[in-house]
Parts: sequence; C-alpha cells; structure tokens
Amino acid sequence: EPEVTQTPSHQVTQMGQEVILRCVPISNHLYFYWYRQILGQKVEFLVSFYNNEISEKSEIFDDQFSVERPDGSNFTLKIRSTKLEDSAMYFCASSEYRGEQFFGPGTRLTVL
Amino acid sequence: AQSVSQHNHHVILSEAASLELGCNYSYGGTVNLFWYVQYPGQHLQLLLKYFSGDPLVKGIKGFEAEFIKSKFSFNLRKPSVQWSDTAEYFCAVNPTGGGNKLTFGTGTQLKVEL
Repeated sequence: EPEVTQTPSHQVTQMGQEVILRCVPISNHLYFYWYRQILGQKVEFLVSFYNNEISEKSEIFDDQFSVERPDGSNFTLKIRSTKLEDSAMYFCASSEYRGEQFFGPGTRLTVL
Repeated sequence: AQSVSQHNHHVILSEAASLELGCNYSYGGTVNLFWYVQYPGQHLQLLLKYFSGDPLVKGIKGFEAEFIKSKFSFNLRKPSVQWSDTAEYFCAVNPTGGGNKLTFGTGTQLKVEL
C-alpha cells in the first residue's frame, strides 16, 4: 500500500540554524501539506501546495518557512532560522484530490 | 474560521465496553468531516470520513460516526472496544468547495484496559 514517507524521523538543531524536513508524498497525489503538533497541543495546519505553488497558508507560516517541490517526488519544508518554539512534530500529508489526506510518520524537530 | 471541539481529553474503558467520543465543529458553511487515529508510535491514519449522503458512516475496525447537522456534531462510536484500540483519536474538518486545510480537535486519548 503506498504511503507518505518523511526523513529524518528526528532532527536536533541549534537555535538560529536552518533545517530542511523532507517528505515523499504518494506518487499520484497532487496536493501536499505540512502540519505540526507541538507537544501536548493540537495538530495545526501550516501550508498546502498544489500545482507548484502555495495554495493556502496559516499565520504560523511566516517568512521563516518555505516549501519546495524540487523534483517529481520530494516535498520539503525549510525553516530558515529555527526558534525554540519551532520544536514540534512536523507531519507531511498528501491527497489525490480535495478530501482524504494521507499522513506521513512525522519528523520530531528539537531546537536547543 | 472553523474550529473543532473534542470534549473528552482522556477516556479509560474496559475491554468490551462501548465507546462514544464527542466532536463538535463550528463553521458557517458545509464541511467534510474526518476521524483520524494515532496508535502509539505510529502516524495519523484515517478511520472514517463524511462528505455527503448517509449521515451514518462506517469506517475501519468496527468504528462508525454519525453526522448530526443540527447539532454540528460528528461523534465516533464503537459498540465493543478492544485493548488494541488504545490510541489517540482526532476529529477534523475542512470546508467543502474551499481550501483543503484540515482543522483538528485537541484529540482524545483512549486507554482500553484488559
């Protein structure tokens, strides 16, 4: 069964450093998403991406964040200068159309 | 903006007990509704979804949910839980015909005891 994969599973970084989280969506899916879950809080939407551009973003997704689909298979989330409050679990998701989203296992980002 | 409330944060049940987890949403238009489950150490998986039609939807592993439009609710039910149902359960919505972003509830941690 096809699934969304994410790497790395755990990333530890120093405050102010750049990180890139990687995702491989399901191959025939057209919509891609990033969500995050701060420990003990709800899963929050960050951004959606369709047709090589951002289709929607939340207020969390400020200038420190960017997304890219550098090739036909990867979908990345970059945080330019990490802050302590960026520590969270980051989930990638994809969907074939508007509707059911399939989630990856997540990357736990720890900012020290 | 839409919002989702899950009033039960922690639920403890014995095996074979019946389960009902509450979910209410707030949104001015029509929505798609979802229940996701996260088993310990695993990723979010879709349990069931409602887009339109029969308001009683059946999902995987014996779960079902009923959409009651007048109450803005989409409660999850299972007649007889098993120890393997121990997990966190999330209700989520997105607006039909609008953006795709899912708005999640805070989740309900279910523990099933033997």
